[in-house]
Amino acid sequence: NAGVTQTPKFQVLKTGQSMTLQCAQDMNHEYMSWYRQDPGMGLRLIHYSVGAGITDQGEVPNGYNVSRSTTEDFPLRLLSAAPSQTSVYFCASLSDRLHEAFFGQGTRLTVV
Amino acid sequence: LAKTTQPISMDSYEGQEVNITCSHNNIATNDYITWYQQFPSQGPRFIIQGYKTKVTNEVASLFIPADRKSSTLSLPRVSLSDTAVYYCLVGDIGNTGFQKLVFGTGTRLLVSP
Repeated sequence: NAGVTQTPKFQVLKTGQSMTLQCAQDMNHEYMSWYRQDPGMGLRLIHYSVGAGITDQGEVPNGYNVSRSTTEDFPLRLLSAAPSQTSVYFCASLSDRLHEAFFGQGTRLTVV
Repeated sequence: LAKTTQPISMDSYEGQEVNITCSHNNIATNDYITWYQQFPSQGPRFIIQGYKTKVTNEVASLFIPADRKSSTLSLPRVSLSDTAVYYCLVGDIGNTGFQKLVFGTGTRLLVSP
């Protein structure tokens, strides 16, 4: 049982580059979300999705795009990376029955 | 949006009971209270959830008074491995009925020998 899988685990980008952070879950959860966590800080919600084809913005959506074509996958796209996007990114899926969120192991992103 | 307030940090010693209180004055009728634990370099992990009164599992207890404006996470006999950040969340029911999970800054618990 893999749970929530994020790839890559580490990534270094140059300013202006674009990339996609992958997130997949095998629990058939409808709700998925992306967070970023800066050093010593709490998690901030970037985008979330309540099902395939439905996404919405969280607290800090600027500079990021998402789409949800399947229940399993919820990729996060950085359109033009900036040093301010250096952070650890966590993907989560939520069991709507149990209201329990399951998190991936995170992607540590550095933008130089 | 129900906002939560927690202490920034707490210190304890091995074997002691630790109580972390969270204030949520604007909690809505349909909101649940959930606590997560996060170790360094890992994603948060669900600990316990409740709606009212007391909930207990193998890890912790959650005490919620009748007015639900606060809650207390109780960790019995902590060990060094309980050193982590603890987050209190209050469910934010979106238009679709799903909870939008919003984390605060959490409480950093340090357990010493």
